[in-house]
Amino acid sequence: DAMVIQNPRYQVTQFGKPVTLSCSQTLNHNVMYWYQQKSSQAPKLLFHYYDKDFNNEADTPDNFQSRRPNTSFCFLDIRSPGLGDAAMYLCATSRVVGGEQYFGPGTRLTVT
Amino acid sequence: SQELEQSPQSLIVQEGKNLTINCTSSKTLYGLYWYKQKYGEGLIFLMMLQKGGEEKSHEKITAKLDEKKQQSSLHITASQPSHAGIYLCGADNQAGTALIFGKGTTLSVSS
Repeated sequence: DAMVIQNPRYQVTQFGKPVTLSCSQTLNHNVMYWYQQKSSQAPKLLFHYYDKDFNNEADTPDNFQSRRPNTSFCFLDIRSPGLGDAAMYLCATSRVVGGEQYFGPGTRLTVT
Repeated sequence: SQELEQSPQSLIVQEGKNLTINCTSSKTLYGLYWYKQKYGEGLIFLMMLQKGGEEKSHEKITAKLDEKKQQSSLHITASQPSHAGIYLCGADNQAGTALIFGKGTTLSVSS
């Protein structure tokens, strides 16, 4: 029944070592989002895809990239993780841009 | 840019008691969403409100959007331990492309 799946649930990476987080969906939704949520803070949108159309938020650091090879999968690449990038990363989907979003369980990233 | 402020930041209630969480926006709300998050988990959609004065209920949870569409409240009646978690309000951003969120209200229910 899982609709938005994130792997892994917990990821540990070293300072400066590239890391990729994965998200897949079984809902066939057009839109996929990546949010960053730091401890006790609101989720913050990094970027979203509408189909293959990539939309980056203005304040998302260049260190963060994303790929969406097909409708079902979306990846978050962090090229050179810093200690400040330790956070929960949430993937979400929606049928249309805006509106009700379905969230995955998140990947908690630790940077050592 | 639009900001959402939630109050209280955290709340501890006894099982069976009622409670209210508020969400105030710095700008007019065109779509207001309530989500629940358990610690270390993703967000679960609860309700969406769009019209001023709108009220929706699901089981023992009721959400309202005020007439001026700048404030929403979430009310839980006869709270249970299963209601414990973090409640976040979210609003459509100006471009209508995604949600901005409040920082959340952490609810604990003691039995």
